[in-house]
Amino acid sequence: DTEVTQTPKHLVMGMTNKKSLKCEQHMGHRAMYWYKQKAKKPPELMFVYSYEKLSINESVPSRFSPECPNSSLLNLHLHALQPEDSALYLCASSQDGTGAGANVLTFGAGSRLTVL
Amino acid sequence: ILNVEQSPQSLHVQEGDSTNFTCSFPSSNFYALHWYRWETAKSPEALFVMTLNGDEKKKGRISATLNTKEGYSYLYIKGSQPEDSATYLCAFCNFNKFYFGSGTKLNVKP
Repeated sequence: DTEVTQTPKHLVMGMTNKKSLKCEQHMGHRAMYWYKQKAKKPPELMFVYSYEKLSINESVPSRFSPECPNSSLLNLHLHALQPEDSALYLCASSQDGTGAGANVLTFGAGSRLTVL
Repeated sequence: ILNVEQSPQSLHVQEGDSTNFTCSFPSSNFYALHWYRWETAKSPEALFVMTLNGDEKKKGRISATLNTKEGYSYLYIKGSQPEDSATYLCAFCNFNKFYFGSGTKLNVKP
C-alpha cells in the first residue's frame, strides 16, 4: 500500500460545528503532516508529527486540534472555524521527520473544507 | 516564512513543444529541493529530490537541474504531451520543514 487516504473528500460545516478530518497511511512512515492550501497559494505547513509526537506547530489557531492516535492515523479536529478557514487540507507522510530533506512526502488527495 | 517563487504561474503549450519553468529559493540553509507533479483531483506526486549543487535528475521526458549557490532549480519537459498537464510544485527543504512555491500550472493542448 503506497497511498495516503484522506476522508472526507468534501466537508461543509457551520461556524458552531465540530468535525474532524482523517488521514491514514500503511507505509510504515513515522512522520505525518497537515498542510492547508488556499486557491493559487502554496501549501502552508500546519503541523508535523514525528514518531507520534507533535514536533512542529506553525502557530496554528487552537480551533484546529491535531491528534495522532497511532503511527498510521492522523486526525485534525475542527471547532468554531471561521469562513476564512475554508481551504484544501492536505495530509502527507514521510519515512521520518528527523530533518533529512531527502525524505519524499507522500500526499493524500486532500479534504476540501467549506465553512459557512 | 521563507519565500519560494515559481514562474511562470501558468503555461499553455502545444503537444510536442518543449518547455521549462523555474523555482527560486533562499540560497542559505539548504537541505534539499523537491519537485512534485499535481494533477487535478489527485494527490501531488514526487518527481525529484535534489540535494547537491549541480544535481541533474531525469525521469523519461522530464528533467531538473539545481543551483544551490544562486538559489534556483529548472524543470524541463521535452516534447510535452497532454498527459503532462498538471501543476508542478517545488518545495525548498530547510532542515525538517518544507516550503512550497505556488506552482506552475501547465496545460498541453493536443
